[in-house]
Amino acid sequence: AQSVTQPDIHITVSEGASLELRCNYSYGATPYLFWYVQSPGQGLQLLLKYFSGDTLVQGIKGFEAEFKRSQSSFNLRKPSVHWSDAAEYFCAAYNFNKFYFGSGTKLNVKP
Amino acid sequence: NAGVTQTPKFQVLKTGQSMTLQCAQDMNHNSMYWYRQDPGMGLRLIYYSASEGTTDKGEVPNGYNVSRLNKREFSLRLESAAPSQTSVYFCASSPSSGAGGQIFQYFGAGTRLSVL
Repeated sequence: AQSVTQPDIHITVSEGASLELRCNYSYGATPYLFWYVQSPGQGLQLLLKYFSGDTLVQGIKGFEAEFKRSQSSFNLRKPSVHWSDAAEYFCAAYNFNKFYFGSGTKLNVKP
Repeated sequence: NAGVTQTPKFQVLKTGQSMTLQCAQDMNHNSMYWYRQDPGMGLRLIYYSASEGTTDKGEVPNGYNVSRLNKREFSLRLESAAPSQTSVYFCASSPSSGAGGQIFQYFGAGTRLSVL
């Protein structure tokens, strides 16, 4: 079955520290991959997407993600986290007209 | 440009009541989607409409019906609400259901539904 897995439910980092959120997918072929962010009480906002080509993609708010086919991973990174990055982050994949979402990772940022 | 608009924002129902959640997008997108979000489970697809005039079941369609009224509007109906349908419901739209760079989604702000 097609699935997207985010192994970390909660992550806490200090402001200014680097961040990496993990995402793994299971599909026969390389799907289209996405990262979304959800602030409390809000809908989801697209951070970045990967379709093909360069495996390192840049997104909004200083985020980037790297696609690694050998590991079936699409991890989200940010070099220096700001307090305003505290939110829930969702990895998603697209295949045959449908988007499949991971269960999300809640990011807390310590002052 | 409002994007994706969902109404109502909050709703409380009693078991067995019916209601329709409304969704409208003003971006001329072809595809529209309904999801429910429950703690620890991410977003699960209820129904989607790849284009005007078509609808298809998603992962959790039982207890729901949808109508793609026109290209702008995609409604979700609960015929007989159950406590298990207490959730946050999100509508989303996408420019295209085909391949290429037009595959991404815009989300509404959500409808918080409680069924007592």
